[in-house]
Amino acid sequence: AQSVTQLGSHVSVSEGALVLLRCNYSSSVPPYLFWYVQYPNQGLQLLLKYTTGATLVKGINGFEAEFKKSETSFHLTKPSAHMSDAAEYFCAVSDVVSGTYKYIFGTGTRLKVLA
Amino acid sequence: GAGVSQSPSNKVTEKGKDVELRCDPISGHTALYWYRQSLGQGLEFLIYFQGNSAPDKSGLPSDRFSAERTGGSVSTLTIQRTQQEDSAVYLCASTPEVSLNTEAFFGQGTRLTVV
Repeated sequence: AQSVTQLGSHVSVSEGALVLLRCNYSSSVPPYLFWYVQYPNQGLQLLLKYTTGATLVKGINGFEAEFKKSETSFHLTKPSAHMSDAAEYFCAVSDVVSGTYKYIFGTGTRLKVLA
Repeated sequence: GAGVSQSPSNKVTEKGKDVELRCDPISGHTALYWYRQSLGQGLEFLIYFQGNSAPDKSGLPSDRFSAERTGGSVSTLTIQRTQQEDSAVYLCASTPEVSLNTEAFFGQGTRLTVV
């Protein structure tokens, strides 16, 4: 079964600084990868997804992620952090496990943006 | 409503009581998931419904947990004889089709606190 690892349960950046949230997956076949954001007391909202094609994927709110097969990574970046980006971010991969389509999530990274 | 709706948004219950959590998926979505999000952990898969097929219950942590989906739409997650370790946010998600490259649409969750 596939797994997802998010390095850093907490990340702090200054407002205007680069945001880099790391995600690595384990897969022997091309994966389908997702980044979700969760604001306080809300559900998960899709930021972006990689299925096939271009390895640099652009999402909402200025975020983007690059699929690197050689590194089994799908790191999320944003050039300039805003206070409103403070939230928890989850990387996920979809897989078929015992005949069931499942989303396998990392443990999440909580992003703090400092004024 | 355009999104996945969950009720109640918050539930406080006494240890040993039964609780029911409701999920109303997006109209027309064929697949429905329940996940549990505990503090400091990722999302734990609980159960999956797809059309009229038998649900995948492989993620349910004990026989105190059960779920049903009536008429291929609304789902209810029931926890009997609640324990303090059941305290978590329970998230419901639905997808329009069964496919690895389709993202899941999440509700805002039900925060369950067992006292």
